[in-house]
Amino acid sequence: DAGITQSPRHKVTETGTPVTLRCHQTENHRYMYWYRQDPGHGLRLIHYSYGVKDTDKGEVSDGYSVSRSKTEDFLLTLESATSSQTSVYFCAISRTKEANSPLHFGNGTRLTVT
Amino acid sequence: RKEVEQDPGPFNVPEGATVAFNCTYSNSASQSFFWYRQDCRKEPKLLMSVYSSGNEDGRFTAQLNRASQYISLLIRDSKLSDSATYLCVGAGSYQLTFGKGTKLSVIP
Repeated sequence: DAGITQSPRHKVTETGTPVTLRCHQTENHRYMYWYRQDPGHGLRLIHYSYGVKDTDKGEVSDGYSVSRSKTEDFLLTLESATSSQTSVYFCAISRTKEANSPLHFGNGTRLTVT
Repeated sequence: RKEVEQDPGPFNVPEGATVAFNCTYSNSASQSFFWYRQDCRKEPKLLMSVYSSGNEDGRFTAQLNRASQYISLLIRDSKLSDSATYLCVGAGSYQLTFGKGTKLSVIP
């Protein structure tokens, strides 16, 4: 299995609080992604990164920011959590651009915003 | 229209049965396709890539029909351990588009 670690695995937080999720990889892959998965929607891309300090928005980026200061770490921040951000968050990595190589996922973070 | 669509199921099949999933895509520029498997409360894992010529991996066969814009996954001799949700995925430039998944339950 690809070396991808997400932390925390579970988190419950209150509406309005900031939350940061961490993704750490040991594969030295250039491309990293944050997805959320919700019933009825499947996996949706929040943000992605194609290198240190190079990030871009995905399909559902509103309310989220990311940072990548090192190859191995990709952080997802919810600036002010809302109940609609209750979801399962998956980090993924790929060796090359998505069209050329599949994604390897971390084991997810279950976030509940009360 | 969702770019990648698949029948959500569930497909309930007996052990040993052959089951087929289809997936249609709307973006003709999609370059690559994959099938992922996701177990309950787990992360998606790559099952197989889908090539234009079709490809087989043991009991699993994937096919791509670019003219009709669909991909398929055939599972032969179903096992209880095949029970999972199968995600169809199309890849464009930087974005992968995931289908919502088809749930398979293999029954003893």
